[in-house]
Formats: sequence, structure tokens, C-alpha cells
Amino acid sequence: QVQLQESGPGLVKPSETLSLTCTVSGGSISNYNWNWIRQSPGKGLEWIGYIYSSGSTNYNPSLKGRVTISVDTSKNQFSLKVNSVTAADTAVYYCARRIQLSYCNGGSCGLGNWLDPWGQGTPVTVSS
Amino acid sequence: EIVLTQSPATLSLSPGEGATLSCRASQSVNTYLAWYQQKPGQAPRLLIYDASNRATGIPDRFSGSGSGTDFTLTISSLEPEDFAVYYCQQRNTWPLTFGPGTKVDIK
Repeated sequence: QVQLQESGPGLVKPSETLSLTCTVSGGSISNYNWNWIRQSPGKGLEWIGYIYSSGSTNYNPSLKGRVTISVDTSKNQFSLKVNSVTAADTAVYYCARRIQLSYCNGGSCGLGNWLDPWGQGTPVTVSS
Repeated sequence: EIVLTQSPATLSLSPGEGATLSCRASQSVNTYLAWYQQKPGQAPRLLIYDASNRATGIPDRFSGSGSGTDFTLTISSLEPEDFAVYYCQQRNTWPLTFGPGTKVDIK
């Protein structure tokens, strides 16, 4: 089964760039949508953005253009960069696959995309 | 963005009791709502998607219902491993958003 593992520095200085990588094992990164989510005591769970394996992206406007997500299909990895970090970027960062699942509700059936599975998460602290 | 609110913040129950958790959206999300379970030190795990569909491997004591702005997660009889934090999440509108969570703890 697919497993995801985040890696990267646990400590980043204010105003610098946070860089994390998610390695996908047990399956191909191709033809899926890959996401970053973070969790902090102050803001709870916050979706950061996704990249499709083809390279198309979608980001949360709340991060005001500070985020870049990229993919390296040859390494089965995707990455997150957040620039100009502040203490507010301190959080546990998760990567997750967005998977298409079939559903039926009453007489209506269809396909929906949900976050599954997630990596175990990596804590990042922004501090000098 | 769509704001999700969850109630109660904490639910204190005993094993064997039933649990009812609520999630309310600031505007309609149709049935495009999921529930996740998170235990300490672990990532969230998908339980229920599209309001009422159980994810693979999820026991049938977990059920979801609702549409529009009001949703419910029901655990029919709590097992020891069910004590955790539960989050709702919508996919109706970008950006994806999560509720603040309901903690189910042991009474």
C-alpha cells in the first residue's frame, strides 16, 4: 500500500525559506494529486496546496503567494517551499495523496476526491 | 472560504456508549464532507467521505449523515481505540477547509 514520508529541517530561521520533501513508496506518484497540509495549535488543520503529477498546482490564498509545490516523478517525490517564514508558520507539516473514491448518497452516486493516506507528519519550528 | 464549526469541543464518554458529533458549514457544501480521526502523534485518518460513505477498513459502528450545512458523525458503541479527535473537512469549494475538531475522551 502507498506510504508517504515527510523529510526536511525541523528548525528554520525567521525570514528564511522552509523546504520539505515527501517521498512516496509502495506506488507511483503518477496520475494522482499530492497535497501539503499543516497543523498548528493556533490555526488547526490548514490545507496548503496540491500538485498534480503533471505539474499543475493549486494553492491556498491564505499563504499569499509564499508557497511553491513541485514534483519529481523520477524520484517519486514532491516538495514544499514556503518563503519569508515567521513564527506563524510553526506547525506539523503533513503530505497526503488526494484519491478519487466512488460514493452513493440516496439515489445519487458519483466520484469524489479525498485526502488518503497521509504521511506521519514532520514538526517545523520557526525561530532564531 | 467555507468555515466549518464542530460541536461539542469535547465529549466525555465511557466505552460502550454512543457518540454524536456535529459539523456545521458556513454555507452549503452539498454532501461533500468527510470525517477524519486523529490519535496523539498520528496523522489524521479518513473515516467517512461524501457525508455517509465509510472508507476502506472502517468499522460499521461509524456512520455519517447530513447534507447542505449540517452533518453528523455517529459512533454507535465506543471501543477503547475510538477515543481520539475527530475533524470534518469539506471539498465543495477551494480552498479545502477543516473544522477545529471534537475530542472524544474517556469519562
